[in-house]
Amino acid sequence: GQNIDQPTEMTATEGAIVQINCTYQTSGFNGLFWYQQHAGEAPTFLSYNVLDGLEEKGRFSSFLSRSKGYSYLLLKELQMKDSASYLCAVMDSNYQLIWGAGTKLIIKP
Amino acid sequence: GAVVSQHPSRVICKSGTSVKIECRSLDFQATTMFWYRQFPKQSLMLMATSNEGSKATYEQGVEKDKFLINHASLTLSTLTVTSAHPEDSSFYICSARDGTETSQHFGDGTRLSIL
Repeated sequence: GQNIDQPTEMTATEGAIVQINCTYQTSGFNGLFWYQQHAGEAPTFLSYNVLDGLEEKGRFSSFLSRSKGYSYLLLKELQMKDSASYLCAVMDSNYQLIWGAGTKLIIKP
Repeated sequence: GAVVSQHPSRVICKSGTSVKIECRSLDFQATTMFWYRQFPKQSLMLMATSNEGSKATYEQGVEKDKFLINHASLTLSTLTVTSAHPEDSSFYICSARDGTETSQHFGDGTRLSIL
């Protein structure tokens, strides 16, 4: 079956760095996405990785290793507004998104 | 660019009512639209995938006669929850993808509360 695993919840301090991991097992691979979702709102796109390596976009970076079925989202210089759920999703061979359950990130002052 | 508009944002209605939710792509042609449901503290659950001009493909366990999807044009898809009951109360989110992109663009979601 298809499976996306990510931690349920993480806590970090304002100004610090946090890494949210995601491992996956899917039928085919056409890229991995990270979305941010604030409570009561729809997800917003953060990043897309289809090749191995690190993609940096401002305070957020995303890494992919296809051979290991592994990705992480790295958030630097954490701000209170970064408190949200972070969803990992993999596009399978049918171009369908398989979603992880999301990681709730709590930022403390 | 790539804006998806979803209406209404919130609906509160009595049990037995049918509710229609619209999803529009404002600045691109959405060849494929997706409808998701999300219960509190849970991840997105794909309900159905619709391609313009053809019947929607429903995920296992989703009743197609209860959740009617119409993707009549390249910019509009509608989800109608027929004879809604309290257990249908949830956050419904649409997303759209054009033919050239792999990412999905989400609407703002519709919070449906059935009394």
